[in-house]
Amino acid sequence: NAGVMQNPRHLVRRRGQEARLRCSPMKGHSHVYWYRQLPEEGLKFMVYLQKENIIDESGMPKERFSAEFPKEGPSILRIQQVVRGDSAAYFCASSPPGFVNTEAFFGQGTRLTVV
Amino acid sequence: DAKTTQPTSMDCAEGRAANLPCNHSTISGNEYVYWYRQIHSQGPQYIIHGLKNNETNEMASLIITEDRKSSTLILPHATLRDTAVYYCIVANTGNQFYFGTGTSLTVIP
Repeated sequence: NAGVMQNPRHLVRRRGQEARLRCSPMKGHSHVYWYRQLPEEGLKFMVYLQKENIIDESGMPKERFSAEFPKEGPSILRIQQVVRGDSAAYFCASSPPGFVNTEAFFGQGTRLTVV
Repeated sequence: DAKTTQPTSMDCAEGRAANLPCNHSTISGNEYVYWYRQIHSQGPQYIIHGLKNNETNEMASLIITEDRKSSTLILPHATLRDTAVYYCIVANTGNQFYFGTGTSLTVIP
């Protein structure tokens, strides 16, 4: 049973370009979470999705950031018109159905560098 | 916003038990205590979680006080590979965790 898969592992974008980060949850998991980790800081929750639904996006910046988890395929975190401050590690986690008493498993992250 | 308080850093001798404390005095009745760790810059690794009873698995033990206002993660025989940042998290529905700054554990040879 493969773990949470994120790709790419490293992504370099110039300012103003778009960044697309992909996350394939563990088999059987229907909940996906995105977190961002700035250098020397803890992880910050961004968004929680289920298939075709955004459940909680309270941690998402209001502009330029969007996320989706389509019926088929991976979850995508999209950052439009990237700026240097978007440089960070972005982690995806997944968990099985059910709201309580479940643990989330994390991928190895995508390290975005904006130059 | 932080719901937990952890020491910034701790050292532990290799082979000894590592006891990592966590205060969560405002925990509510339906919130679980989760522990994760992050080794270097890898993705956080799930360790253990519990509601009110003590829990044990192949990685660690979790001791939760009777009033649930604090807990301790115990790594029974620390190895060098246990050097990591350990996060104590309280959460109820879903897994929208607040990670805080955690405890940086260094296992010393």
